[in-house]
Amino acid sequence: SQQGEEDPQALSIQEGENATMNCSYKTSINNLQWYRQNSGRGLVHLILIRSNEREKHSGRLRVTLDTSKKSSSLLITASRAADTASYFCATDPRLYSGGGADGLTFGKGTHLIIQP
Amino acid sequence: EAQVTQNPRYLITVTGKKLTVTCSQNMNHEYMSWYRQDPGLGLRQIYYSMNVEVTDKGDVPEGYKVSRKEKRNFPLILESPSPNQTSLYFCASRSGTVSYEQYFGPGTRLTVT
Repeated sequence: SQQGEEDPQALSIQEGENATMNCSYKTSINNLQWYRQNSGRGLVHLILIRSNEREKHSGRLRVTLDTSKKSSSLLITASRAADTASYFCATDPRLYSGGGADGLTFGKGTHLIIQP
Repeated sequence: EAQVTQNPRYLITVTGKKLTVTCSQNMNHEYMSWYRQDPGLGLRQIYYSMNVEVTDKGDVPEGYKVSRKEKRNFPLILESPSPNQTSLYFCASRSGTVSYEQYFGPGTRLTVT
């Protein structure tokens, strides 16, 4: 069942600007992950934030997590044309590693267009 | 190079003709999954496997079968494909304990007429 919901569905900005995408989810999670997908291709893992973390950085990416609001945001700073892609949040509900049902629950994605 | 491979990448077939989409990973991952991606619906999990001979249903398993006879391979079988199975399919794998991130294959675009 779909849990993560990204907002906005689509975002178009100028190169060099910052892009912010949001994700809301419904149930408790172990971790939340963000993935990028270039048109029609496989998803690529960007960053993972655990439920006990509030913020994480990786290069030009900054992810925040607010478990009280069940929401996360992905910020891409100094955007580039190559950042044009769809971005998905995925929630992992497992409370322990190694056992139980597997599989991330993905949102429908935010389509980001960077105008040169 | 660590990767997940899928074959075929594109397939057009007719209703009722059995087909198999292969998936293989070279990372010795325990967990493997199949997803389908449809416009407006995002990615939905079809089946997953936690190890050899251990498989279970995801969110949309109807009309699909899987098997996990070897750790590296996780084929997706459509015994009698129907037009509503026209979709973009992704195989993914991850380590059981090291990391939760999933590695995705390049996708298989299936059209059933």
